[in-house]
Amino acid sequence: QITLKESGPTLVKPTQTLTLTCTFSGFSLNTPGEGVGWIRQPPGKAPEWLALIYWVDDERYRPSLRSRLTITKGASEDQVVLSMTNMDPVDTATYYCARFFSSIPNTISTVANWGQGTLVTVSS
Amino acid sequence: ETVLTQSPGTLFLSPGERATLSCRASQSISNNYLAWYQQKPGQPPRRLMYDVSIRSAGVPARFSGSGSGTDFTLTISSLEPEDFAVYYCQQYGRSLTFGGGTKVEIK
Repeated sequence: QITLKESGPTLVKPTQTLTLTCTFSGFSLNTPGEGVGWIRQPPGKAPEWLALIYWVDDERYRPSLRSRLTITKGASEDQVVLSMTNMDPVDTATYYCARFFSSIPNTISTVANWGQGTLVTVSS
Repeated sequence: ETVLTQSPGTLFLSPGERATLSCRASQSISNNYLAWYQQKPGQPPRRLMYDVSIRSAGVPARFSGSGSGTDFTLTISSLEPEDFAVYYCQQYGRSLTFGGGTKVEIK
């Protein structure tokens, strides 16, 4: 059974850096094709993809947010970490961790599995 | 960036009726890299279709996808009570973007 779970602060202040951790099970990020990424969804709005990292350390980012985002594999083999700098109230959203699987090199796939999400509020 | 525009914003239908949801892309989507997701309140989205017309595991046959180039459609042949939800299209491949969503509400 594949599971993903997000952890991190629920409240951050404007200009601070948000760090979220995704802890997953049921698959390995060492397996060819596997990827883990982040998608956020502001209240009442559509989802927005942020970043993902594939098993070969291939990192992909949303172009408009590239300068603020960093995705890395965690210290533990079952974790992926997202950092987002210079947080603003418009970044208030539910942040989802997601599993991607792509059998085609250099191709971003659909989302195969989702975490339950964590609501992050940006406010002073 | 490919922008996806979904219409209508809200669809008011009754159980048993046919639902037709549209997704239009700002540029042609290559390799049929178009997916559909369903989202219910308080839950993450659930993938229904990928590569335009392939149903994900466990998705009922009343859901079907079609289209090519810039125009795509998700059809629900006969609405069940559990189908009332928000639906998003998504393009993938070189990047990943979602449409704005269509809410299917009970009339």
